[in-house]
Amino acid sequence: QVTLRESGPALVKATQTLTLTCTFSGFSFNTSGMCVTWIRQPPGKALEWLARIDWDDDKYYSSSLKTRLTISKDTSKNQVVLTMTNMDPVDTGTYYCARMGTILGVVQNWVDPWGQGTLVTVSS
Amino acid sequence: SYDLTQPPSVSVSPGQTASITCSGDNLGDKFASWYQQKPGQSPVLVIYDDTKRPSGIPDRFSGSNSGNTATLTISGTQPTDEADYYCQSWVSSTGVFGGGTKLTVL
Repeated sequence: QVTLRESGPALVKATQTLTLTCTFSGFSFNTSGMCVTWIRQPPGKALEWLARIDWDDDKYYSSSLKTRLTISKDTSKNQVVLTMTNMDPVDTGTYYCARMGTILGVVQNWVDPWGQGTLVTVSS
Repeated sequence: SYDLTQPPSVSVSPGQTASITCSGDNLGDKFASWYQQKPGQSPVLVIYDDTKRPSGIPDRFSGSNSGNTATLTISGTQPTDEADYYCQSWVSSTGVFGGGTKLTVL
């Protein structure tokens, strides 16, 4: 069974850097085709894709946020870390990590399953 | 940037068919996924690769994708299907979500 769980501060101040950790089980980055992605959702608003990291350490970022985001993985700990610099109150929301689908070692186009999400509030 | 457009809301009577559209330039040339999100819960995948259902998703959920529009269809809509629905696709390995559609079953 694949599970993912996000952790990090519930409250950060504007201009600070946010660091979130996704700890997962049921799969490993040692396996070809594994990929973890981050998605966020402001309160009452739509989902927004942020970043992804693949088993081979390829990384992809949202074009609108790429200057502020860094994604990395620790294969031995089954963790993915997302950092976002220069936080602003508009960055308030629930941050989800999730695994992307994989078939025969190839990353697929769907996201499943998702973690429970962690709410981050940015104060001014 | 690539945008996916969904209607903000769709209403349907119980037992009827609900259709939720997702529009984007040449979306039919890409794969679309659909996610259901109920209040206070994480999104759940209900359709992937345009038309496929994950195990555990009722067969009243179906999808299509052609031209510029992907469509999620819920046949025989149940009150439990009331939720927000999001389409998603990928452009150059970066993800894009639609703005979401609130499905009301009344």
